[in-house]
Formats: sequence, structure tokens, C-alpha cells
Amino acid sequence: DAKTTQPTSMDCAEGRAANLPCNHSTISGNEYVYWYRQIHSQGPQYIIHGLKNNETNEMASLIITEDRKSSTLILPHATLRDTAVYYCIVRVAPRYGQNFVFGPGTRLSVLP
Amino acid sequence: DAGVIQSPRHEVTEMGQEVTLRCKPISGHDYLFWYRQTMMRGLELLIYFNNNVPIDDSGMPEDRFSAKMPNASFSTLKIQPSEPRDSAVYFCASSLTTSGGDTGELFFGEGSRLTVL
Repeated sequence: DAKTTQPTSMDCAEGRAANLPCNHSTISGNEYVYWYRQIHSQGPQYIIHGLKNNETNEMASLIITEDRKSSTLILPHATLRDTAVYYCIVRVAPRYGQNFVFGPGTRLSVLP
Repeated sequence: DAGVIQSPRHEVTEMGQEVTLRCKPISGHDYLFWYRQTMMRGLELLIYFNNNVPIDDSGMPEDRFSAKMPNASFSTLKIQPSEPRDSAVYFCASSLTTSGGDTGELFFGEGSRLTVL
């Protein structure tokens, strides 16, 4: 069963911020939000994850709403190399299992 | 670190033949996953192991598919007999769980592209 809803595709101009939304209205208290991306023909790559608080790393920022029913992945300065399919995944912490379920994701096209 | 290593990268075979895909996880990782990706169905989890023990194989499509992990550094996914509908990219991934923490990051290999004629 899909736990997340994402737009099928998005465009973003190179150099601008890319904001990728994800809806997870049925998220439970012990479930984390993960983001992965898959560049054409490669294996998926981990980007970031979070539980309640906003998170930032060298790749992106993750903004989770206070009610945790949705989140946004932000790529602050998108480049052509960021063109990929982005997956938002909701799952419990590792000590409860390791089942990552990938939905169809959002196909982000960064345009020159 | 060399990352997750999969072989072969490409395999073309004829219907009815046995196919064996191989995976070497990142050293020290305690979880190993096999995924299959097709245009129609996207990324599907087939099976995953924890400390070499299969935990959930509910994604394995049918009895023609089997997976083993004889030790911490090697896993195989076997299809016997293969069929054209098995054509897909098969990914192996590994992860490390730290006690009390939530790394949960999956490291994927580059995949094995299988074509069954």
C-alpha cells in the first residue's frame, strides 16, 4: 500500500531551488521520512531523512510540517545533474524492520 | 570502500535457462536487499536478509526465484527457469543498523540488467 503521494513530474530552472513535495497523511509516530533519488540507469541514492525536525545536509534540506502529514525536499541550487526520479519513503526505524517501499516518485527535470 | 558490487552487469539469456545474479555488500553491513525494477512496476522489494538470515521474502514473485546469503559478504539471486517477463534491472543494496540509531541508509549497487529472450 502506498504511504506517500508525490507529483509525477516537475521542472526546475538550473540554479533555482527545487522544492519537491510529498504527502504522507497516514504517517505514524514512529515512522521516518526518507528521500532517495535515482539518476538514469543507476541505483537509488540516499539523500536525507527525518522524523519531526527539519534536516539539512550537504545535498538537500528536508522540511516536515508540524503535523507530519507532508514534507518538502529542497535542493537549494539545482543543477543539470540533479535531474532524476526522487522517491519519498515512509518507514519505521531500523529496530522495527528494514522494509523500504519505493513508490513511483517524482521525475525532476532541471532545465538549462 | 568499494561499495555494493553486483555481477554480472548485463545478462542476456534464453527462456528456460538458469540465471544467477551475485552481490557483495559493503563490508560490515548487516542488512542486504534485493530489488527488481521494471518500467511497468517500478522498484519492487523482492527479499531482504539480516545477518544472513532471510527476514521477508514476500516480494519474491514465484517459486522460480530463490535467494541465498551463505555468508556476510555474498548473496545470490537465482531464477530457474527464466522467462521473458523476468527481464528487468535487479538491484542489490546493503545497510548498517547502529544500536539505538537510525541510519537506515541503503547503499545500492549499479544493478544487473537481465534480458530473457
